[in-house]
Amino acid sequence: QVQLQESGPGLVSPSETLSLTCRVSGGSITAYYWTWIRQTPGKGLEWIGHIHDSGTTNYNPSLKSRVTMSIDTSKNQFSLSLTSVTAADTAVYRCARRLLRWPFYMDVWGEGSTVTVSS
Amino acid sequence: DIRMTQSPSSLSASIGDSVTITCRASQSISTYFNWYQQKPGKAPKVLISGASSLESGVPSRFRGSGSGTDFTLTISSLQPEDFATYYCQQTFSSPITFGQGTRLEIK
Repeated sequence: QVQLQESGPGLVSPSETLSLTCRVSGGSITAYYWTWIRQTPGKGLEWIGHIHDSGTTNYNPSLKSRVTMSIDTSKNQFSLSLTSVTAADTAVYRCARRLLRWPFYMDVWGEGSTVTVSS
Repeated sequence: DIRMTQSPSSLSASIGDSVTITCRASQSISTYFNWYQQKPGKAPKVLISGASSLESGVPSRFRGSGSGTDFTLTISSLQPEDFATYYCQQTFSSPITFGQGTRLEIK
């Protein structure tokens, strides 16, 4: 079955850029929304945005100015870039697959990557 | 943004009990609504989609209902593996938003 695995640095310095990649195995990266979600004890689950295999993106307005997502269908992976990070961006970041049709839920999730923003 | 408000925030119950968790959306979302279960250190897992459709492999003791702004998740005859945190989610409009979670604990 389809599995997702996040990878990237666990520690990022303030004002730097957080970069994560999600590798999709066991299935094709086409025909879904590929999503990033983060979770903190204080704010709970926060949808960061998604990218379609066509390259179309949709970002959370609260993060839009700092977020870029990209997709590499040849490598079956997609990526997240979050610029100018602060301590408030410390979270568990997960990638997920979201259906293209109603009710559009996330049916496959990665284990999560803990990212700490600290000097 | 559509705000999703869950209640209660936490709940204590015993094995065999039935419990109900509610979620209210700040505006009508039809049935663009899903319930997830999350256990410590794990990713959320979808239980109910489209407000009332039980996902494959999810026990029938889980039941979802509602439409518009008010939704419920009922778990009957609680089992040890049901003690977890439950989240509601709306996918009606962007940004997708989640409830703050309901932590279900063993009494």
